[in-house]
Amino acid sequence: KAGVTQTPRYLIKTRGQQVTLSCSPISGHRSVSWYQQTPGQGLQFLFEYFSETQRNKGNFPGRFSGRQFSNSRSEMNVSTLELGDSALYLCASSVTGRTEAFFGQGTRLTVV
Amino acid sequence: DQQVKQNSPSLSVQEGRISILNCDYTNSMFDYFLWYKKYPAEGPTFLISISSIKDKNEDGRFTVFLNKSAKHLSLHIVPSQPGDSAVYFCAASATDSWGKLQFGAGTQVVVTP
Repeated sequence: KAGVTQTPRYLIKTRGQQVTLSCSPISGHRSVSWYQQTPGQGLQFLFEYFSETQRNKGNFPGRFSGRQFSNSRSEMNVSTLELGDSALYLCASSVTGRTEAFFGQGTRLTVV
Repeated sequence: DQQVKQNSPSLSVQEGRISILNCDYTNSMFDYFLWYKKYPAEGPTFLISISSIKDKNEDGRFTVFLNKSAKHLSLHIVPSQPGDSAVYFCAASATDSWGKLQFGAGTQVVVTP
């Protein structure tokens, strides 16, 4: 069974640009969650989607947004990038959102 | 407000011995707990979970214990192996919080030969 796939693995962007990250969940998993990992803040929850609806949202500014498609694939978008957005962005999928969550390899975003 | 706390940033243990990792939480709405293992620049790998209706769950070398009254859980790894060297995260999920895991800061485990 294929795991969670995140693309791209690495990104370098300039301040002010916007970026879109992609996540393909494990087949049959309808819940996709996004997390940001930084050395100072650890793993922080961004938002969760289930059946194309955002069910839960963390404490991040509106520059961070996401969506989910009918095949459960999800994208995360960050607009007007800031240096502080440099982080490892992780996506996790689970069957319902209340079962074991499996993570992808992450996308390392560097903002310069 | 850190609702999940791993107070030991590091743990060194000899190969073959037991590793015990601890985690405390403050939110009484947490009812599902997970442990993950993580290598640098990779995503966390799921190890084991436990529901609040249980006080113990085992899977191979990994056992998780939950003490609800103390709001404390622990992960035991027996026997420890060099490949277990990684950062271990405790995570918790609340009944009203779909898809959201709250993570501790992690414990770096080093298993020495």
